[in-house]
Amino acid sequence: GENVEQHPSTLSVQEGDSAVIKCTYSDSASNYFPWYKQELGKRPQLIIDIRSNVGEKKDQRIAVTLNKTAKHFSLHITETQPEDSAVYFCAASKSNTGKLIFGQGTTLQVKP
Amino acid sequence: ETGVTQTPRHLVMGMTNKKSLKCEQHLGHNAMYWYKQSAKKPLELMFVYNFKEQTENNSVPSRFSPECPNSSHLFLHLHTLQPEDSALYLCASSQDRTSGSNEQFFGPGTRLTVL
Repeated sequence: GENVEQHPSTLSVQEGDSAVIKCTYSDSASNYFPWYKQELGKRPQLIIDIRSNVGEKKDQRIAVTLNKTAKHFSLHITETQPEDSAVYFCAASKSNTGKLIFGQGTTLQVKP
Repeated sequence: ETGVTQTPRHLVMGMTNKKSLKCEQHLGHNAMYWYKQSAKKPLELMFVYNFKEQTENNSVPSRFSPECPNSSHLFLHLHTLQPEDSALYLCASSQDRTSGSNEQFFGPGTRLTVL
């Protein structure tokens, strides 16, 4: 069945360092890949997304890359700040289903 | 709160109780979703509704019964639950499931504890 694997499950970095979270997906028909951030006790919120016709997308300190051939995509956060500490979820979807398959989540801790 | 709201925010129920979770979206969306979030597990999609029609049931046990009376409201009726059903239940909405914009907006969730 459809599956999304996310690594690492936990990530601890020093403030100012970069953080990278990686996901692989199984369904080659997937064409939409969002990343959600969930702070403790709060709802997941979309931080960036990418579609299959694009290889990279950047929004300030956040970037996402997509390798369709290898079926993997990654989230890059540069110049990390303590407020970046949260759980990050990747997901994959086919645009005609609305069905998001989520990865297991990565708990990011940014140490001041 | 605006966007997607859920009530109640916390619910404790016994295994023989019947309760309902409510979700309402104020975004003019046509697709709504129920997810289950357990500790150390990924978000699990339960149900998808598009224009009030159920389009996905992700092998959810019948003790969970969804209802979507209109595009703005979604309910999850609970009956004879098990302790392992304790989790955070998240509602989400999106423009519609087939549009180019798949962004899903989540509600704050209902923290359910089954005793």
